[in-house]
Amino acid sequence: DADVTQTPRNRITKTGKRIMLECSQTKGHDRMYWYRQDPGLGLRLIYYSFDVKDINKGEISDGYSVSRQAQAKFSLSLESAIPNQTALYFCATSDSTSGGKTGELFFGEGSRLTVL
Amino acid sequence: AQSVTQLDSQVPVFEEAPVELRCNYSSSVSVYLFWYVQYPNQGLQLLLKYLSGSTLVKGINGFEAEFNKSQTSFHLRKPSVHISDTAEYFCAVKSGAQKLVFGQGTRLTINP
Repeated sequence: DADVTQTPRNRITKTGKRIMLECSQTKGHDRMYWYRQDPGLGLRLIYYSFDVKDINKGEISDGYSVSRQAQAKFSLSLESAIPNQTALYFCATSDSTSGGKTGELFFGEGSRLTVL
Repeated sequence: AQSVTQLDSQVPVFEEAPVELRCNYSSSVSVYLFWYVQYPNQGLQLLLKYLSGSTLVKGINGFEAEFNKSQTSFHLRKPSVHISDTAEYFCAVKSGAQKLVFGQGTRLTINP
């Protein structure tokens, strides 16, 4: 089983619908992240959380919200989806004792979202 | 602010040929540098990293990269590529307390 699991892996939805992408991890890491990948733009940070009570905006947080339900769970919500949120979304984790300093991340397999 | 530029969006090469994927970064302080690989329909996985010490870093699957501080570069190389190396490669940099920043990605295509 994957250490970082994302659900759903693929989702097609319509403009205006609420969407939630979920991420769970078994690595025991305290830090979790949501990234968005678009062709030619690389990965851009949406939100990150250093522990259950710590939530921070990334560079492109507008239109998104997150919830850290437990150390192992971090969900991303689109309250009212729009077509330019069509992208591949990745959850990632890191460990503050080592990766927190160096930046090394561990990724899920991605959730492909299409907004029509 | 730190930034990363991958100079080639696509690199096509023939099987068993050498390859170099270029990465330049900008940062005013010391950095940690990474190359991640994304195989088709998969997430990203770490290929190699430079934290300190030797400027030549060896990673998985025969890849290596060299940290060049004067050129602010961290180019990825492999002397002989295989079809299975077809993937997208991302360079990333972290400095100080700032978050990891990714380059735009380079799509490596291996032709038989």
